[in-house]
Amino acid sequence: TQLLEQSPQFLSIQEGENLTVYCNSSSVFSSLQWYRQEPGEGPVLLVTVVTGGEVKKLKRLTFQFGDARKDSSLHITAAQPGDTGLYLCAGGGETSGSRLTFGEGTQLTVNP
Amino acid sequence: DVKVTQSSRYLVKRTGEKVFLECVQDMDHENMFWYRQDPGLGLRLIYFSYDVKMKEKGDIPEGYSVSREKKERFSLILESASTNQTSMYLCASTSGTVLSYTFGSGTRLTVV
Repeated sequence: TQLLEQSPQFLSIQEGENLTVYCNSSSVFSSLQWYRQEPGEGPVLLVTVVTGGEVKKLKRLTFQFGDARKDSSLHITAAQPGDTGLYLCAGGGETSGSRLTFGEGTQLTVNP
Repeated sequence: DVKVTQSSRYLVKRTGEKVFLECVQDMDHENMFWYRQDPGLGLRLIYFSYDVKMKEKGDIPEGYSVSREKKERFSLILESASTNQTSMYLCASTSGTVLSYTFGSGTRLTVV
């Protein structure tokens, strides 16, 4: 069974600060996705990375896929209260078809 | 945009009742999934389906069954609801091997 570990589990910061969330595994994934979930809603896809070493930017969010395709990070610059939510990483295995393995999530709170 | 609709946002049922959770997607996706989400446990896969009338057990299928009579609809059935099935239930869909899940808004089920 492939496992994804996210850290930290909880993060509370002030508006304007930077932060990084990590997603690690001992398994190799063919792709890695990041989702954000707001209270009472389903997760919404932010980005998919598929190539080892790949870096993608989405406004103030920077996503990186590790060279060995076992880990990923999400960096947020100058966090805003609207960034508050549960961030989930999810990995696609090379033999698991469209089935994803989800991390447990990082609950981010950005205080004004 | 792809839309995944879950029939109820909130549901309260009594122990022993048979419960139906409905999920409909409007983009002709082949793959549909049912997860439950609990604090500290992340998203756990209950059942999934790659085609009409096809179903596969996920990681925690006990106490649940599913039905997929039409491509757009995937139903989760709790045969005899128990209090430990109180949870947030999330439906998701995706097309082929494209690993970008679209989630519904979730159904928060409380079993009393």
